[in-house]
Amino acid sequence: NAGVTQTPKFQVLKTGQSMTLQCAQDMNHNSMYWYRQDPGMGLRLIYYSASEGTTDKGEVPNGYNVSRLNKREFSLRLESAAPSQTSVYFCASSEALAGGADTQYFGPGTRLTVL
Amino acid sequence: RKEVEQDPGPFNVPEGATVAFNCTYSNSASQSFFWYRQDCRKEPKLLMSVYSSGNEDGRFTAQLNRASQYISLLIRDSKLSDSATYLCVVNTGNNDMRFGAGTRLTVKP
Repeated sequence: NAGVTQTPKFQVLKTGQSMTLQCAQDMNHNSMYWYRQDPGMGLRLIYYSASEGTTDKGEVPNGYNVSRLNKREFSLRLESAAPSQTSVYFCASSEALAGGADTQYFGPGTRLTVL
Repeated sequence: RKEVEQDPGPFNVPEGATVAFNCTYSNSASQSFFWYRQDCRKEPKLLMSVYSSGNEDGRFTAQLNRASQYISLLIRDSKLSDSATYLCVVNTGNNDMRFGAGTRLTVKP
């Protein structure tokens, strides 16, 4: 049982480049989330998906797109990276259905630097 | 004003000490509350949920005060391994989890 896995672990991009962060969970969880963590700011929710086929904006969605490919996988895409997107990105999953709240299990994170 | 506020610390305490952290939240409709622990350069992990009646897990006690909109975490008999950042998390509804910036704790021998 790997839990939540994320790839890549580290990435350096130039301004304007695009990339996709991958996340997968093997716990059969319904909900999946993408967060970013910046110094002094705490984790902020970018997007979440309460079930396969649905996605919703979180607190800071601008500059990102997501895709819930199936129940296991939830990807985050930066279409045109900007230095302000330099951050640590965490994917998480939980059993909770829409409207619920449950323990979130986090992946190890992706450290992204945009030059 | 941030939705969830915590004293960033750092709290530096000797082994065996008792230490308490508080967290305040702004949304009175918030539904559920949690404490997570995050080690340096690692992912957050659930420490405990926080219930209205208060709850205890070994050396850790969590309390919720809905009237004053704050949550507390008490750690008794601190161990070196308790050194970490403690994140206060509030579910404002519909799976919208809001995290505090964290309180850093260092337990020294």
